[in-house]
Amino acid sequence: AQTVTQSQPEMSVQEAETVTLSCTYDTSESDYYLFWYKQPPSRQMILVIRQEAYKQQNATENRFSVNFQKAAKSFSLKISDSQLGDAAMYFCAYGDQLGTYKYIFGTGTRLKVLA
Amino acid sequence: NAGVTQTPKFRVLKTGQSMTLLCAQDMNHEYMYWYRQDPGMGLRLIHYSVGEGTTAKGEVPDGYNVSRLKKQNFLLGLESAAPSQTSVYFCASIPRGNTEAFFGQGTRLTVV
Repeated sequence: AQTVTQSQPEMSVQEAETVTLSCTYDTSESDYYLFWYKQPPSRQMILVIRQEAYKQQNATENRFSVNFQKAAKSFSLKISDSQLGDAAMYFCAYGDQLGTYKYIFGTGTRLKVLA
Repeated sequence: NAGVTQTPKFRVLKTGQSMTLLCAQDMNHEYMYWYRQDPGMGLRLIHYSVGEGTTAKGEVPDGYNVSRLKKQNFLLGLESAAPSQTSVYFCASIPRGNTEAFFGQGTRLTVV
């Protein structure tokens, strides 16, 4: 069975600085997707970035980028130029490609942004 | 475009009561899911559906039942609520040929 581990329950970053959130996963599959979701206090789940496992190039979305290491099964999220609005819970998720597209979520990392 | 809508948003139940949570999506998505979110545990899959008329168990299905009689609706039922089912419930849908999940706004359920 697939598992997703986020070992940092909470992180803090100064406004305008850079922070990296860690995520590791375990799977025997070769084809899958990985995601980072943001959950602000409103509770809404917002997709931040998505990575296809077969792509070697790391995904980037504006200030958000990932470091995807397939052999190490690592998928970290880097947030550059942190803003107060980035404060939220961040979830790493694994999505299977076996026809059900089920997600396996990590336990989340709460990010605090300090002014 | 409403996206994924969950009804209700909040509910308090007494132990032993029953209720149904409704998830409705207007995007013609094929796949639908029910997750529960508990502190320190992330989101865990309860049940899911890969198409109208089909359902399957997820990671934590005990105490819940689901139905998908119409493609746009996915119902989650609690027949006899227990305090352990106090949680925030999320519905999600995924279109065929894609992998991005679209989430509802969540339902906070408290069982006393």
